[in-house]
Amino acid sequence: EPEVTQTPSHQVTQMGQEVILRCVPISNHLYFYWYRQILGQKVEFLVSFYNNEISEKSEIFDDQFSVERPDGSNFTLKIRSTKLEDSAMYFCASRAGRSTEAFFGQGTRLTVV
Amino acid sequence: GIQVEQSPPDLILQEGANSTLRCNFSDSVNNLQWFHQNPWGQLINLFYIPSGTKQNGRLSATTVATERYSLLYISSSQTTDSGVYFCAVEGKIANFGNEKLTFGTGTRLTIIP
Repeated sequence: EPEVTQTPSHQVTQMGQEVILRCVPISNHLYFYWYRQILGQKVEFLVSFYNNEISEKSEIFDDQFSVERPDGSNFTLKIRSTKLEDSAMYFCASRAGRSTEAFFGQGTRLTVV
Repeated sequence: GIQVEQSPPDLILQEGANSTLRCNFSDSVNNLQWFHQNPWGQLINLFYIPSGTKQNGRLSATTVATERYSLLYISSSQTTDSGVYFCAVEGKIANFGNEKLTFGTGTRLTIIP
């Protein structure tokens, strides 16, 4: 069964460093998303991406964040200068069309020290 | 934005018991999904159910869109059912790009052997 895959599964980084989280969405999907979940809290929307551009972003998604689809298969989230409060589980998701079922990757646990 | 409330927040049951988890939402929806977050943090798709009733083994779900709620039923609980159950909805708003999922705060289910 096709699945969304994320790498790495766990990343530890020092405050102020840049990190790139990687995702391979399901191959025929057109809509891509990043969400995050701070430990013990609910899952929050960060950004949606369609047709090679951001279609919506939340207040969390400030200038320190960027997304890219560098080729036909990868979808990346970059955090330029990490802060302690960026520590969270980051989920990538994809869906085939508007309002269709969304599928989530297994997550990347980011720890900023 | 759309509000999603889940109840109860915590539920502790003996193995073999049945349970009902509830999700209330504040506006019309295009999409509603139920997820199980396992102890490793992965979000597992349970149901894509914007309306109607579906069953999958010991689990079933019903969404009454006109009354803005959804129910997840778990029968004959097993210890592997433990974890957090999230409801997530996509609000029915006409403008392009509003396709994100808004998650509830979850129900933490603990099944005791």
